[in-house]
Amino acid sequence: DTEVTQTPKHLVMGMTNKKSLKCEQHMGHRAMYWYKQKAKKPPELMFVYSYEKLSINESVPSRFSPECPNSSLLNLHLHALQPEDSALYLCASSRSAGPGNTIYFGEGSWLTVV
Amino acid sequence: DAKTTQPNSMESNEEEPVHLPCNHSTISGTDYIHWYRQLPSQGPEYVIHGLTSNVNNRMASLAIAEDRKSSTLILHRATLRDAAVYYCILKGATNKLIFGTGTLLAVQP
Repeated sequence: DTEVTQTPKHLVMGMTNKKSLKCEQHMGHRAMYWYKQKAKKPPELMFVYSYEKLSINESVPSRFSPECPNSSLLNLHLHALQPEDSALYLCASSRSAGPGNTIYFGEGSWLTVV
Repeated sequence: DAKTTQPNSMESNEEEPVHLPCNHSTISGTDYIHWYRQLPSQGPEYVIHGLTSNVNNRMASLAIAEDRKSSTLILHRATLRDAAVYYCILKGATNKLIFGTGTLLAVQP
């Protein structure tokens, strides 16, 4: 089972709303990632968690708040987003964060901010 | 991590081999060469990766130049389902998988 599950698949939220994106994997992976992808652009790395601790934050605005409650779950809390934050948000995981590890991606959550 | 250079697009015919090139002249000794692909409206999918030696798996082969400054992803028999954006990515000591613009592969029937 090489599956990363993301919910919801689609989310529409207002600029004053608070919502969360959820990601789950049961492969025993200890590294988890959030990426953001705008239309016709490559994915951009946002955050990396290694052993449930935030190890990389690519200067992401504080309106995006990641959380890793345990080794299987990764959340992305959203608050006071702007319309330009509308994008596909991809979660991924790997056995560890080392350079030789395969990264498995979920199908993504499509976010629209209105 | 070092950057890669790929052609913006390539075209292939169905059931023929496809060679997707990637240049990475500033690769360091600890950088792994990863290939991912992304079909429309899907998350990226792992294809193959290697460090120094050529690699084969059920999806593709990866040929790495002796000086490691370039590599080639080989799809042995292209199918329509192989039409996607293919990303060649170096992953090294920073542990970041940073995507470039990739190669858009079109497969003609």
